[in-house]
This record gives sequence, structure tokens and C-alpha cells, in this order.
Amino acid sequence: LAKTTQPISMDSYEGQEVNITCSHNNIATNDYITWYQQFPSQGPRFIIQGYKTKVTNEVASLFIPADRKSSTLSLPRVSLSDTAVYYCLVGEYSNYQLIWGAGTKLIIKP
Amino acid sequence: EAGVTQSPTHLIKTRGQQVTLRCSPISGHTSVYWYQQALGLGLQFLLWYDEGEERNRGNFPPRFSGRQFPNYSSELNVNALELEDSALYLCASSRKNRGFILPGANVLTFGAGSRLTVL
Repeated sequence: LAKTTQPISMDSYEGQEVNITCSHNNIATNDYITWYQQFPSQGPRFIIQGYKTKVTNEVASLFIPADRKSSTLSLPRVSLSDTAVYYCLVGEYSNYQLIWGAGTKLIIKP
Repeated sequence: EAGVTQSPTHLIKTRGQQVTLRCSPISGHTSVYWYQQALGLGLQFLLWYDEGEERNRGNFPPRFSGRQFPNYSSELNVNALELEDSALYLCASSRKNRGFILPGANVLTFGAGSRLTVL
């Protein structure tokens, strides 16, 4: 069973690039990695998803090394509105489990 | 396209009472997931339904139950409420990928949640 581990909290400043890393040591070959963003009193919102190497969309990039034991969410040029909790999720294909990280609280300062 | 809708948005109950929470998934989504999120904490998986059947269940006591209807909407029932049941209950839905359930690859769309307070 995969276990996901991510930092509890991070601070950064407006305009900086922020990288949040999630460890998932027991990830299997067919498991996907997804990141979600959650604001207070709202449901999480999909940010980006990947399987291997690098994925980029209009809001973020996701880097997955060859061994896939970790993944890094990269947020370019953050703003105050990026203050939120970020969750990584590993979808275990073998047993249909969704393994959520505990979340990283990101605080962006002016 | 309408998002995932949950009702009620807020409710207050007392210990020992029962509560029913409702969720309407996005049109075309066949899977519904229920999560519990206590204040300031992460997501705790409760239940997963797909096409009317319970596919998986989290580590919660039997007083947490639910069902999924033929139109794919879902209910979560909690009996004999306890103080520690106070939380945000989140529903999410997903569609299959080319007819298949691919855990994690099927993106979850969450509702805004139902905030339950047990006094």
C-alpha cells in the first residue's frame, strides 16, 4: 500500500516559484499522481495530474523522476491567492484505493 | 455544466440524532465518493459508489452508511451522532476513462460540502 508524505506547511513570497514535494515510496507501475488545491470551507480542486516525467498546464507543472518515488508540484510566480492547502494523491490501480497526503499548507506573503 | 451539488450546506444536530446528507454528481459521472474532513485536518475516506454499488469503504463504524440511486445521486447517513462527527462532509464525483475506472486517473470534482455540527 502506497503512503504519501508531504510537508505540513511552507511559506513563500509573491512572485516566487514554489515547489512542493510529495514522497510515495511504494508507488506501483500503473498508479497515477494527482494534485489538488483546497481553500477554507471549500472542496478540493484539481490542479494537475501525471504518470511520469513532466506535465505542464496553465497553472502548474508536475515533475516526476524516473523512479516515481516522489513528485514535485511547481507553482510559478505565486500570488496571495495561491494561499491554500495542497494535497497529493496516489491512485492505486491494484486495489482501487486513493491514497491522499495529509496536505501542505502554503502561505504566500506580500 | 452544473458542478457537484451537496445539501444541506450547514446543519446542527445533537448527540444521538441521525443525519442524511445528499449529493448530486456532475452529469455523466457514475462514481461518487464521500469524505469527512474535521476542522483543520485532511481528508478521511468514507465511501465510494459506482453505478449503484458500494465499491470501497473507509475505516469508519457501521453507523456511517450510504447509497447511490439509479440517477447516480447519493446519500450519506450517519446514525447515533457523536461530537467527533462534527466535520465538513465532502462529496466528489468522477467519470470513467473510456469506460474504465482508473483510480487517480479519474479526476475527482468536489462539491462545496455539508458542514455538520454536533452539539
